[in-house]
Amino acid sequence: QLQLQESGPGLGKPSETLSLTCTVSGGSIGSTTYYWGWIRQPPGKGLEWIGNIYYSGNTYYNPSLKSRVTISVDTSKNQFTLKLSTVTAADTAVYYCARSGNVRGPFDYWGQGTLVTVSS
Amino acid sequence: DIVMTQSPDSLAVSLGERATISCKSSQSILYSSNNKNSLAWYQQKPGQPPKLLVSWASTRESGVPDRFSGGGSGTDFTLTISSLQAEDVALYYCQQFYSTPPTFGQGTKLAIK
Repeated sequence: QLQLQESGPGLGKPSETLSLTCTVSGGSIGSTTYYWGWIRQPPGKGLEWIGNIYYSGNTYYNPSLKSRVTISVDTSKNQFTLKLSTVTAADTAVYYCARSGNVRGPFDYWGQGTLVTVSS
Repeated sequence: DIVMTQSPDSLAVSLGERATISCKSSQSILYSSNNKNSLAWYQQKPGQPPKLLVSWASTRESGVPDRFSGGGSGTDFTLTISSLQAEDVALYYCQQFYSTPPTFGQGTKLAIK
């Protein structure tokens, strides 16, 4: 059974860079069939797609966040990583990693999510 | 960006009754390559990630009870639960995967009346 697990600091300061890693188990991130992505959900609010990556390293970002986002993949570790720079309180959210069969979804497997709070 | 608008924001239905959630896209999300609508429905329970219920507007995912059905085309879509069960209490989201960025509706909260 495919599983995804987010990891990283739960607290960050304004202007810093947020870094989260998603570890995939029960399947290979090197599959040519799937894309791997990040989606976030501010507390009590809706879902926002951040971006996706293909095993080859091709990336696709939400234009609203593109200037601050970098997603990378490490196929040897079966992991992919999100870096979000210059964070503010507005970036406080539960961050999910997820798998999709298409660049834009739908997202059929999700991690449990990790809450990242940005506060001084 | 394609704007996805769900209605209602919240809904209370009696056990065993039908629940219908609507989702409207700001433009057509019909994918010409397969003549299918690029719409998905998710269910999210408190403290859990979203769960994919339906893709391509009407294709139910494996393991999803058949009381869940998706329909619609073009810009207007529905998720119907034919006979509400207690375990269906959740937030429901639609999502378009037709264009970048993929976007979600604001969510509909389903409760028991």
